[in-house]
Amino acid sequence: EVQVVESGGKLVQPGRSLRLSCSASGFTFAAYPVGWFRQAPGQGLEWIGFISSRSQGETTEYAASVKGRFTISRDDSRSVAYLQMNSLQTEDTAVYYCAAPYYYASGLTAWGQGTLVTVSS
Amino acid sequence: DIQMTQSPSSLSASVGDRVTIACRASQGITNNLAWYQHKAGKPPMLLISSASTLQSGVPSRFSGSGSGADFILTISSLQPEDVATYYCQKHGAAPHTFGPGTKLEI
Repeated sequence: EVQVVESGGKLVQPGRSLRLSCSASGFTFAAYPVGWFRQAPGQGLEWIGFISSRSQGETTEYAASVKGRFTISRDDSRSVAYLQMNSLQTEDTAVYYCAAPYYYASGLTAWGQGTLVTVSS
Repeated sequence: DIQMTQSPSSLSASVGDRVTIACRASQGITNNLAWYQHKAGKPPMLLISSASTLQSGVPSRFSGSGSGADFILTISSLQPEDVATYYCQKHGAAPHTFGPGTKLEI
């Protein structure tokens, strides 16, 4: 069974940085992309970006709203993906989710329960 | 970037009703379309990928159709546990934009 767990969310001041973690199990982590998403209070789902597997060059893609501020990385030895968030703004307040494997044709895609990031002074 | 729209934004139906939710892409996306169910307090659940491929464990009353720019999610016989917000999402080439959601109530 695929299991995904996000961690690292907390209250942070505007302008500061935060790193979220996404730990996954139940599949060959290194072989698949990992995706990140968020849902702001009262809003819909927003795709943040993804990182491909090492064999696909660990390429990353980002939404325009976070490009240049957020960075996705992975550590296959630990089956963990990271979302580094810099220059946080109040509008980044949201529940952050990851999904793995982020490859729908695998039939295995699962989401974690999410982790809350609150950006406020 | 390709924009995704959904209609209606909300709908109320009765148990046993056939329910359809529409999703439209601003450009053709072949069949690169997923549907998600999101219940309050829970993570989103992938229902359908590639426009019509039902994910394992998803009840057969859910189905997806369409290609190009227009897609439909159908619930053949609405059940009380189907109360949720439903999102379409473009996959394939990035960005993987979501539609604004359709809130379904009983």
